[in-house]
Amino acid sequence: DAGITQSPRYKITETGRQVTLMCHQTWSHSYMFWYRQDLGHGLRLIYYSAAADITDKGEVPDGYVVSRSKTENFPLTLESATRSQTSVYFCASSDSGSADTQYFGPGTRLTVL
Amino acid sequence: EDQVTQSPEALRLQEGESSSLNCSYTVSGLRGLFWYRQDPGKGPEFLFTLYSAGEEKEKERLKATLTKKESFLHITAPKPEDSATYLCAVPPAAGNKLTFGGGTRVLVKP
Repeated sequence: DAGITQSPRYKITETGRQVTLMCHQTWSHSYMFWYRQDLGHGLRLIYYSAAADITDKGEVPDGYVVSRSKTENFPLTLESATRSQTSVYFCASSDSGSADTQYFGPGTRLTVL
Repeated sequence: EDQVTQSPEALRLQEGESSSLNCSYTVSGLRGLFWYRQDPGKGPEFLFTLYSAGEEKEKERLKATLTKKESFLHITAPKPEDSATYLCAVPPAAGNKLTFGGGTRVLVKP
């Protein structure tokens, strides 16, 4: 029972490079979410997806791209990484949107040099 | 705009010293309030969902309560393993942007 997994767990990259963070869930949850967590800002929603091929912006979407071709996967791509995108990224999933319990992955710590 | 404020920011307790954490919220229509526990280097772990004023839920040494404007997380006779950051969050009246509070860092010393 893997639940929700993220890869890589740690990533160091350089400014301007493209980076993709992976998220996989085994519960067949309809909704998946990407958050970033920064000191002083707490957890902030980047993007979410209600189902395969349905995505929507959250609070801080600029500089990020998402896709969801399969229900179980929700990759997050930083098209041209910037230092301000250094953060810890969490993926979460739920059965029916934000009013339902969200279950979080272990996180990816991303450093942009 | 929905707002969630947690206090205190940090709490140092001796083992066995009970205390309460506060989560004040402003949302136009409450569809639930969530409590999570987060250990360093890990993702938030779900604890409780509360849906209506007066509701209470318990798990081991933790008890969550809800009023119309705030929620409390009571830690009774805490142990060192209860040390963590505790987060509360509320969903919007409509839509999917969950609003998190800044968290309360709890340290329980033996």
